[in-house]
Amino acid sequence: AAGVIQSPRHLIKEKRETATLKCYPIPRHDTVYWYQQGPGQDPQFLISFYEKMQSDKGSIPDRFSAQQFSDYHSELNMSSLELGDSALYFCASSPQDRGELGTEAFFGQGTRLTVV
Amino acid sequence: GQNIDQPTEMTATEGAIVQINCTYQTSGFNGLFWYQQHAGEAPTFLSYNVLDGLEEKGRFSSFLSRSKGYSYLLLKELQMKDSASYLCAVSYNQGGKLIFGQGTELSVKP
Repeated sequence: AAGVIQSPRHLIKEKRETATLKCYPIPRHDTVYWYQQGPGQDPQFLISFYEKMQSDKGSIPDRFSAQQFSDYHSELNMSSLELGDSALYFCASSPQDRGELGTEAFFGQGTRLTVV
Repeated sequence: GQNIDQPTEMTATEGAIVQINCTYQTSGFNGLFWYQQHAGEAPTFLSYNVLDGLEEKGRFSSFLSRSKGYSYLLLKELQMKDSASYLCAVSYNQGGKLIFGQGTELSVKP
């Protein structure tokens, strides 16, 4: 079965550079969530999109932006990178927003970003 | 925050049973998920509880008490491959985003 696809799997950037992470949700999933997981920490919710519109916003820095495109894939754009941005970035998709019963979020394998 | 609390680490013996507890803030509660995560990998779905009671799925069971803001994940017949971090995650109100606990690092010993 198709899963959530994230690219790239690994990314190394220098401070103050920009990075773009991509997420391709499971077919027919219209909701995408982005999470950041630092070393030894739990995943922290960044932002979500439903039907190409931002549906919720968490602890996402102003230096980051994201969008969902007409084919439902999403991109997380990160500018002026800092050392503290080094983390695993997970994308998850689900078939519907509104937190309805049984809506499980399926996670991609993540992008490991290292800022040096 | 939503104060999702779970023990930081636990150790158990192969073949045994282990229970991982999770407490959370009840206001706006919509549902509770348990995920398993191996180091450097994505969280994988284990169970979902929205009503009080026990949900059983093979060697894994999850229990929920909404009035107490309490859940546990029960792992039976432990195997070495069960060594991982177990994340309790709660969905609040509408929107579907998950708020995660800090995870319980389970070590299964021979």
